Amino acid sequence: NAGVTQTPKFQVLKTGQSMTLQCAQDMNHEYMSWYRQDPGMGLRLIHYSVGAGITDQGEVPNGYNVSRSTTEDFPLRLLSAAPSQTSVYFCASSHPEGGNTIYFGEGSWLTVV
Amino acid sequence: AQSVTQLGSHVSVSEGALVLLRCNYSSSVPPYLFWYVQYPNQGLQLLLKYTSAATLVKGINGFEAEFKKSETSFHLTKPSAHMSDAAEYFCAVSGGSNYKLTFGKGTLLTVNP
Repeated sequence: NAGVTQTPKFQVLKTGQSMTLQCAQDMNHEYMSWYRQDPGMGLRLIHYSVGAGITDQGEVPNGYNVSRSTTEDFPLRLLSAAPSQTSVYFCASSHPEGGNTIYFGEGSWLTVV
Repeated sequence: AQSVTQLGSHVSVSEGALVLLRCNYSSSVPPYLFWYVQYPNQGLQLLLKYTSAATLVKGINGFEAEFKKSETSFHLTKPSAHMSDAAEYFCAVSGGSNYKLTFGKGTLLTVNP
């Protein structure tokens, strides 16, 4: 069982470039979300989705775009990368009921130079 | 609204000593509480979770946590630290649904021989 799969694991971008972080889950979870992790800040929610075709903003959405065309996939797009977006990105998925385990991917380390 | 405060960004213990990592939360609804562990350059692994079934929760690797509503706390403990416990630990809270998990800023645990 693959769980939550993120690609790529490492990426270096130049300022102004765009890219997509891929996230896929094979557990038929309705909820998927993206977090970014920065030193001393914990993890902060970027965007989330409660089902195919439905997305919403989290705490730090600026500079990012998402879509949810299928239950399995939830890509995160950086429209014009900035050094402030250098971070570790985690995708997560879960069933909707509170208290259910939230599963995280292995993370994507992004550096913007 | 919900928030998490982890007291102590860095905790250092000797091997064999008690581990105590502190977490206080606030939530406008009955909370679900989680502890995650992150080893260097890896993703998040669930240690344990509180879902209102029992106030004392046992997790993996000998860790446990006690939910104290009156103190709004969910501290993580382990009777005897092992070198392999060295990692960063995150406390998190969610409300009635799983789409928004709010994390503390993390506590780095160092275990000295």
